Amino acid sequence: NAGVTQTPKFQVLKTGQSMTLQCAQDMNHNSMYWYRQDPGMGLRLIYYSASEGTTDKGEVPNGYNVSRLNKREFSLRLESAAPSQTSVYFCASSGGGGADEQFFGPGTRLTVL
Amino acid sequence: RKEVEQDPGPFNVPEGATVAFNCTYSNSASQSFFWYRQDCRKEPKLLMSVYSSGNEDGRFTAQLNRASQYISLLIRDSKLSDSATYLCAVLSGTNAGKSTFGDGTTLTVKP
Repeated sequence: NAGVTQTPKFQVLKTGQSMTLQCAQDMNHNSMYWYRQDPGMGLRLIYYSASEGTTDKGEVPNGYNVSRLNKREFSLRLESAAPSQTSVYFCASSGGGGADEQFFGPGTRLTVL
Repeated sequence: RKEVEQDPGPFNVPEGATVAFNCTYSNSASQSFFWYRQDCRKEPKLLMSVYSSGNEDGRFTAQLNRASQYISLLIRDSKLSDSATYLCAVLSGTNAGKSTFGDGTTLTVKP
């Protein structure tokens, strides 16, 4: 099992460009999450999907959109990147229904110039 | 006030020391509690879940105090390899599986 995979690992964008971060899990988990982590800070939830077909905003959703493509895949889109979105982005999944520990992907390091 | 707050740290301890971290939470309806370990430039990984009765895994002991709304992590006989950032996570019980994370406490174990 690969667990949670993310692509790309690194990305540099110019202000105003758009991109999509991809995430996939092979653990048959119901719930998936997107977090951002800024230097010296904890994880802040951007969006989450409690189950296939549903998505909800987290703590910091502005400037982002998500798609739960199927049970395995959950993508995060930046429509018009801004320097304030420079961060490390982690995708995570959990079983849901009481199996609440989260499994994280390796992260995407995004720099917006 | 943040929903989940951790000791600010950093903690610098010698090998063999015992160190304890606390994490307080504000939502009294919180149901599940976890400690994660995050190495530099890596993803967080689950260290241990925290049960009402407390639980132990080798040199690590986690405890929950519902009355005072905090969880703790005790590391005995610290090793150099324990150097990392430790994140607590609290699940409120709504919206299946959505946890709130603390900002983390950084531990450096020195020879």
